[in-house]
Amino acid sequence: QKEVEQNSGPLSVPEGAIASLNCTYSDRVSQSFFWYRQYSGKSPELIMSIYSNGDKEDGRFTAQLNKASQYVSLLIRDSQPSDSATYLCAVKRGLQGAQKLVFGQGTRLTINP
Amino acid sequence: EPEVTQTPSHQVTQMGQEVILRCVPISNHLYFYWYRQILGQKVEFLVSFYNNEISEKSEIFDDQFSVERPDGSNFTLKIRSTKLEDSAMYFCASSPHDIQYFGAGTRLSVL
Repeated sequence: QKEVEQNSGPLSVPEGAIASLNCTYSDRVSQSFFWYRQYSGKSPELIMSIYSNGDKEDGRFTAQLNKASQYVSLLIRDSQPSDSATYLCAVKRGLQGAQKLVFGQGTRLTINP
Repeated sequence: EPEVTQTPSHQVTQMGQEVILRCVPISNHLYFYWYRQILGQKVEFLVSFYNNEISEKSEIFDDQFSVERPDGSNFTLKIRSTKLEDSAMYFCASSPHDIQYFGAGTRLSVL
């Protein structure tokens, strides 16, 4: 079982619609979860962090966490063509302090004008 | 806005040669990381560094790899004898505590 699992896509969404991205993780003790966006050939860019069960909203983005189901999701409202990218789910693991990020494979999202 | 700076942006080398990838983390950050991403694959952790020593290293980070913080600002990754399979994007990240900020990366091409 992969530590962090995402559907690789591609996920195609019309402009203005809601894009829904999902991620599951295997380690129940994980406490910190992140969504990064990665444009082709570029580095990961942080979108959201979430630590508690429930929803966390930031602008057009909402992260959802369900620790019982070991499930994290990202909703993008009013999708724009500029949202077209690969979205990486990451879970923090390791010793307290210098904890590494374990990434999923990423979901490639395409917003169609 | 402060950012993590990596040089060079692209490094081409011959198999068996040594390369040094350089990173300047964000000032006042305490934790430093190297990750790599082989083309088409996921981002993989290599090593974390705190308080002038390695905190954790992955199984990828074998004896050919080393990291240094030679002065108060730079953080380097050395690959002693490069192999074809070392070709990848190498990302440096730094963190004040929780959030990790990534540099633009160095594309390493081993021929």
